[in-house]
Amino acid sequence: KAGVTQTPRYLIKTRGQQVTLSCSPISGHRSVSWYQQTPGQGLQFLFEYFSETQRNKGNFPGRFSGRQFSNSRSEMNVSTLELGDSALYLCASSPSGQGTDTQYFGPGTRLTVL
Amino acid sequence: DQQVKQNSPSLSVQEGRISILNCDYTNSMFDYFLWYKKYPAEGPTFLISISSIKDKNEDGRFTVFLNKSAKHLSLHIVPSQPGDSAVYFCAASAMYYGQNFVFGPGTRLSVLP
Repeated sequence: KAGVTQTPRYLIKTRGQQVTLSCSPISGHRSVSWYQQTPGQGLQFLFEYFSETQRNKGNFPGRFSGRQFSNSRSEMNVSTLELGDSALYLCASSPSGQGTDTQYFGPGTRLTVL
Repeated sequence: DQQVKQNSPSLSVQEGRISILNCDYTNSMFDYFLWYKKYPAEGPTFLISISSIKDKNEDGRFTVFLNKSAKHLSLHIVPSQPGDSAVYFCAASAMYYGQNFVFGPGTRLSVLP
């Protein structure tokens, strides 16, 4: 099976712009989670989608939003970009999103905000 | 306040010796714990997990120990190999809440030949 894919891999934006990141989960996986990774902070949970519904949400401002399509592909949007949004954004998928499901991560999208 | 802590940012170990990576958590609701390994330019890869009903889980060279009373877990790698050099993340969740994992900041392991 193909792994989790994320596009684009690298992105450079300026403050105030908005950005959309895309994630294609492993075939058959219905849960998609998004994480932000910054140096020294580890991975911080953004949100999880299951069957097109947001099921869990982390402590991020409303500028961060997402959605999931009927084929389980997911997009994440960040509006009014700030310098502090520069990070690696990781997407992970799992079969059913149960608490003990293993998450499989994509390679990430490296976002740089200038 | 970090709910999952990995107090050693880096660790160096000689090839063939044991690597011990530590993780502490503060939230007593956490009942499921995982370790992930991450190479540069790749996403994290699942290594091993443990639920709170166990205190030890083994998978080949990797063993995770859980001390619930101390809210502490550790990952032992025996023997360590140069290919184990990576950043290791500890993660925790309350299973009832599904896939809401809290990750630690990571420990960079260097295995020296």
